[in-house]
Amino acid sequence: QSVLTQPPSVSAAPGQKVTISCSGSSSNIGNNYVSWYQQLPGTVPKLLIYDNNKRPSGIPDRFSGSKSGTSATLGITALQTGDEADYYCGTWDSSLSAGVFGGGTKLTVL
Amino acid sequence: EVQLVESGGGSVQPGGSLRLSCAASGFMFSSYEMNWVRQAPGKGLEWVSYVSSSGSTIFYAASVEGRFSISRDNSKNSLYLQMNNLRAEDTAVYYCGRRGDSSGYYVDYWGQGTLVTVSS
Repeated sequence: QSVLTQPPSVSAAPGQKVTISCSGSSSNIGNNYVSWYQQLPGTVPKLLIYDNNKRPSGIPDRFSGSKSGTSATLGITALQTGDEADYYCGTWDSSLSAGVFGGGTKLTVL
Repeated sequence: EVQLVESGGGSVQPGGSLRLSCAASGFMFSSYEMNWVRQAPGKGLEWVSYVSSSGSTIFYAASVEGRFSISRDNSKNSLYLQMNNLRAEDTAVYYCGRRGDSSGYYVDYWGQGTLVTVSS
């Protein structure tokens, strides 16, 4: 059971928009920055979003992040088949003194 | 170019030990906090351990506390994970990851991973 809760799967058609939620508590998301990672099949995780809504160099602006209270959201617009991957949220949990990840969300682009 | 290269994985019997290494290059290793993150076959990411840039501050996941030990040698640009009393549930790909230098906690660079298999 992950500390952060994500939906197991989401799906949408090419060109559409999808959002992935990440729910936590005051000890993690509520008081710490959130990051998001993309893991394409058979590859290493890749940082998509850090500090709630910042994109590393090279990440297209189709990817966005937001946070409200104890929840965070990853948004992906103009979906492409190449976006099919597992997506994870992550943050620090101040009560656990530990890094925490969500269980992951599998995105299917139909 | 930032590179993180793990080594030391392999097959071990329950109760055994392994020492993982992560060789860093392309950045000032001594200035960055480092982490180990693992992923069991077909499962999600699990944070394992953190070490500050100087090595003075260390944290562990509850699942490995007392069995695993993280360390670093800044003179060798290397990160280590000593794993003792291994269990079947420790079977996973272990990634070395650099903590980004912005405000939040996140891993901005990941190694390619090394597979640890614990089985009799």
